[in-house]
Amino acid sequence: GQNIDQPTEMTATEGAIVQINCTYQTSGFNGLFWYQQHAGEAPTFLSYNVLDGLEEKGRFSSFLSRSKGYSYLLLKELQMKDSASYLCAVTTDSWGKLQFGAGTQVVVTP
Amino acid sequence: GAVVSQHPSWVICKSGTSVKIECRSLDFQATTMFWYRQFPKQSLMLMATSNEGSKATYEQGVEKDKFLINHASLTLSTLTVTSAHPEDSSFYICSAILLAGETDTQYFGPGTRLTVL
Repeated sequence: GQNIDQPTEMTATEGAIVQINCTYQTSGFNGLFWYQQHAGEAPTFLSYNVLDGLEEKGRFSSFLSRSKGYSYLLLKELQMKDSASYLCAVTTDSWGKLQFGAGTQVVVTP
Repeated sequence: GAVVSQHPSWVICKSGTSVKIECRSLDFQATTMFWYRQFPKQSLMLMATSNEGSKATYEQGVEKDKFLINHASLTLSTLTVTSAHPEDSSFYICSAILLAGETDTQYFGPGTRLTVL
């Protein structure tokens, strides 16, 4: 079967750093995405990794290790608006079909 | 970035009626669109893959006769929930793929909240 696991919830203070881990076991791998989703809204694209290593985009960075089936999303200089659910998703075929993890709810406190 | 719209954003209907949801890619052509369903505090569940000019591919457990998908053009896919029942109440989200170099990134519509009474 397909498994994509991430923690359910994380709490951090404004200005701090939070790392959200994602492990996956899928039949095939064509890339890993991170999306941000605020309550009642659709997901917005944050990052994409297909090769091992770190991708940095401003305050957000994403890391991938294909041999370990592991990724993390790093959020720096947390702001209150970063409070949201963060979804890890893996694409396993050439059509771009995504399998989503359950999401990690990040709560940023003052 | 790429923009995907959905209409309506919310709908309330009586049990037994059918509801159509439209998904449009506004500034790009999308040969492939996806339909997802999301229940409260749960992640997105893929329902089907919609390809322009061909039949949709449904995920296991999704009734194709109940959730009719039509991808009539490169910018429009529709999902019709037929004979809706209260258990069909959910947040329905579509996405479209934008090919950018080697990255096939899915861009999501704003979602449609369906409530069946």
